[in-house]
Amino acid sequence: QQPVQSPQAVILREGEDAVINCSSSKALYSVHWYRQKHGEAPVFLMILLKGGEQKGHEKISASFNEKKQQSSLYLTASQLSYSGTYFCGTDPEGGGGSNYKLTFGKGTLLTVNP
Amino acid sequence: NAGVTQTPKFQVLKTGQSMTLQCAQDMNHNSMYWYRQDPGMGLRLIYYSASEGTTDKGEVPNGYNVSRLNKREFSLRLESAAPSQTSVYFCASSGWAYEQYFGPGTRLTVT
Repeated sequence: QQPVQSPQAVILREGEDAVINCSSSKALYSVHWYRQKHGEAPVFLMILLKGGEQKGHEKISASFNEKKQQSSLYLTASQLSYSGTYFCGTDPEGGGGSNYKLTFGKGTLLTVNP
Repeated sequence: NAGVTQTPKFQVLKTGQSMTLQCAQDMNHNSMYWYRQDPGMGLRLIYYSASEGTTDKGEVPNGYNVSRLNKREFSLRLESAAPSQTSVYFCASSGWAYEQYFGPGTRLTVT
């Protein structure tokens, strides 16, 4: 079952902060975050594992609340380059190794204006 | 180092025609995936291959077949294309570091 992302879309001015949420109805082993710019392929941002630490990537960080089966992506002091669609992918099975059968949310469109 | 490559980039088919989408990776990854992306639907897994010689169904496998030809190549076949298969198709691969690397995509239109 697809995880639910919120909000569906958000518009920011450069320098503002945003939070994107990802919620699942299943217990999760891991949550993966990807960003996709218009007309391009998705690009990996970070993974959060059950029992693991909060991860960070540049000014983008994320948290994983295993009990609530939720993850949040935090974008601070947003830049124009942060514009794109953000997807969370959830793995309820813990495939292990290199096999992750992810279920992706529908995405959150982030627009950063000057 | 090309990463993940896909051919063709664009394709138009008539209903009932067949075609194969090709994907290759040069990162020595064990796992490979085929996704489709439709507006407002996110990425949906069609098939995946955990390792050479194995394939398994994802969320939306109906109407598709796959072949893991060797460690590098993973192809997706549409035997009898339908308008509902109009989509952007992405191939991806992953190694032991969890991250999936996506190819540039194939934009398929079925009329």
